[in-house]
Amino acid sequence: DVKVTQSSRYLVKRTGEKVFLECVQDMDHENMFWYRQDPGLGLRLIYFSYDVKMKEKGDIPEGYSVSREKKERFSLILESASTNQTSMYLCASRPPPVSPLHFGNGTRLTVT
Amino acid sequence: DQQVKQNSPSLSVQEGRISILNCDYTNSMFDYFLWYKKYPAEGPTFLISISSIKDKNEDGRFTVFLNKSAKHLSLHIVPSQPGDSAVYFCAASGIGTGANNLFFGTGTRLTVIP
Repeated sequence: DVKVTQSSRYLVKRTGEKVFLECVQDMDHENMFWYRQDPGLGLRLIYFSYDVKMKEKGDIPEGYSVSREKKERFSLILESASTNQTSMYLCASRPPPVSPLHFGNGTRLTVT
Repeated sequence: DQQVKQNSPSLSVQEGRISILNCDYTNSMFDYFLWYKKYPAEGPTFLISISSIKDKNEDGRFTVFLNKSAKHLSLHIVPSQPGDSAVYFCAASGIGTGANNLFFGTGTRLTVIP
């Protein structure tokens, strides 16, 4: 069974802090994704990576960056956290081609 | 602009009855559709999918119907059980839409009343 693990379930950070959200998958999937979930907006794609060191912007990349140095790990970085980045962040992975995403349990980030 | 829409934010159904969750999409390039279920404090879990070459796909109590001409899909749960209470998201993707992206709807909260 695919396991996608997000390092933190809950995080509270201050405005202006640099924040790292970590995600690890154990199924050797090429594709990894970061989404955020907000009430009334569904899930929106921030970034995805289709291979090590490869990344592409999703629909809402502003204020975020990502890092994928190893196949199993995909990190989301908030360079300078702001209150409008308070959200549920979801990491997902899948093998290509198009197939269902496997999600982690999410990180609920609060920026004060 | 929301390309995948779930117009009902919530739905309540009696246990044992049918639950019907609806989803509309606007992009005719979508050719792969999925339903996810999400419990609070957990990530979404994949439920069922359908490709555009089919109009129905069934898996146990769950059936997804696709009406391409209406750009509409629906998820039927029969019989509904209290454990089905969750938020359901539909999602779509397709060649030409950014094949690596899934476009999600805003979700429908299903409550199954015992």
